[in-house]
Amino acid sequence: DAKTTQPNSMESNEEEPVHLPCNHSTISGTDYIHWYRQLPSQGPEYVIHGLTSNVNNRMASLAIAEDRKSSTLILHRATLRDAAVYYCILRDFPSGTYKYIFGTGTRLKVLA
Amino acid sequence: DTGVSQDPRHKITKRGQNVTFRCDPISEHNRLYWYRQTLGQGPEFLTYFQNEAQLEKSRLLSDRFSAERPKGSFSTLEIQRTEQGDSAMYLCASSLGGTGGEQYFGPGTRLTVT
Repeated sequence: DAKTTQPNSMESNEEEPVHLPCNHSTISGTDYIHWYRQLPSQGPEYVIHGLTSNVNNRMASLAIAEDRKSSTLILHRATLRDAAVYYCILRDFPSGTYKYIFGTGTRLKVLA
Repeated sequence: DTGVSQDPRHKITKRGQNVTFRCDPISEHNRLYWYRQTLGQGPEFLTYFQNEAQLEKSRLLSDRFSAERPKGSFSTLEIQRTEQGDSAMYLCASSLGGTGGEQYFGPGTRLTVT
């Protein structure tokens, strides 16, 4: 399974944009990039996913580098409720493996 | 609420006892997953069901662990002869198929083995 590397922690001020980076230099052509977040005392929550093109949804945007060796999750206006651990995960659907391999993620702290 | 539910939310047991956890997935989801999470770590995959068939098991799932999903609906995870190292949060998730297939996680069952 391809690995991802994320900073252990980041801080942001409330109502400012946050860019959470993820490196995945060994990504294969069929790996999808998934982002989940985990709020305190809750199970992980799906945020967004993509393959090659940048993606937007109501929660966030995902910017994928042209060589796909890195990606960035963008929260456009951080709120206190966005304080969580954010996980970047690669998932290879065509192989038939449906499990996620989580790393330790990035703990985002949002300052009021 | 139509999300994934897990029962119990908390379980304290003595070493050597057996415990069983239940997961009720989102009703139309045919895939169900179990993960284990210890403090400060991301969730670790344990096993995966498609309908009632258990298709993948992690090497973390020792012989003391067994999971079932009868009739492809709810699932149970049983741990026999619990050890202190089994103390963790046990998470269940479910999903549809397809290339999206994002997983919806339950709130977890926190197991403490004393």
